[in-house]
Amino acid sequence: AQKITQTQPGMFVQEKEAVTLDCTYDTSDPSYGLFWYKQPSSGEMIFLIYQGSYDQQNATEGRYSLNFQKARKSANLVISASQLGDSAMYFCAMREVNTGFQKLVFGTGTRLLVSP
Amino acid sequence: DADVTQTPRNRITKTGKRIMLECSQTKGHDRMYWYRQDPGLGLRLIYYSFDVKDINKGEISDGYSVSRQAQAKFSLSLESAIPNQTALYFCATSDHGTGEETQYFGPGTRLLVL
Repeated sequence: AQKITQTQPGMFVQEKEAVTLDCTYDTSDPSYGLFWYKQPSSGEMIFLIYQGSYDQQNATEGRYSLNFQKARKSANLVISASQLGDSAMYFCAMREVNTGFQKLVFGTGTRLLVSP
Repeated sequence: DADVTQTPRNRITKTGKRIMLECSQTKGHDRMYWYRQDPGLGLRLIYYSFDVKDINKGEISDGYSVSRQAQAKFSLSLESAIPNQTALYFCATSDHGTGEETQYFGPGTRLLVL
């Protein structure tokens, strides 16, 4: 079964608007971490934001926030005030602390295109 | 300067050749990883190392070997390259001392096996 599911292959947003990229996950490990990475066309993987399973508050990093709904097992990335430079692939990933602490499991990604 | 560097950035090789991809980091992290990325499949773990004396196979280690020469250096070898090893390869590092253990990636190596 898929551990990380990103159902949106592509998303479009206009500059300065907010956009939500969906991510759902599947785990029986009570302790886990959720990550979002950005991959621009140049290819590098850039860490954006982290949410721990025991964190009470949603994580925020500048224009990025993570809408963490534990009961629904979702960890959506919200980008506020989109910029042209936000056009990229976005990957959600999970690390299970007790059963899979050595690796990140990645989703298949969502391609975001920001238009002027 | 980049914290995690990979060399070469691009490589074209022929079937059957042995090649080595190198990774160096200045982050002082103890853990290092090699991933490959194929279109539509996200990233998959090849090997990982928790310290110089600790090497572990990931989910797709067949056809690959690694060497952790120092805490800061982790190299990936393809002993006899084949076309389906054409992919984008990433090295990553993490610090066991942090609770979240965020993995930080190098810029990637694009490998084409003809």
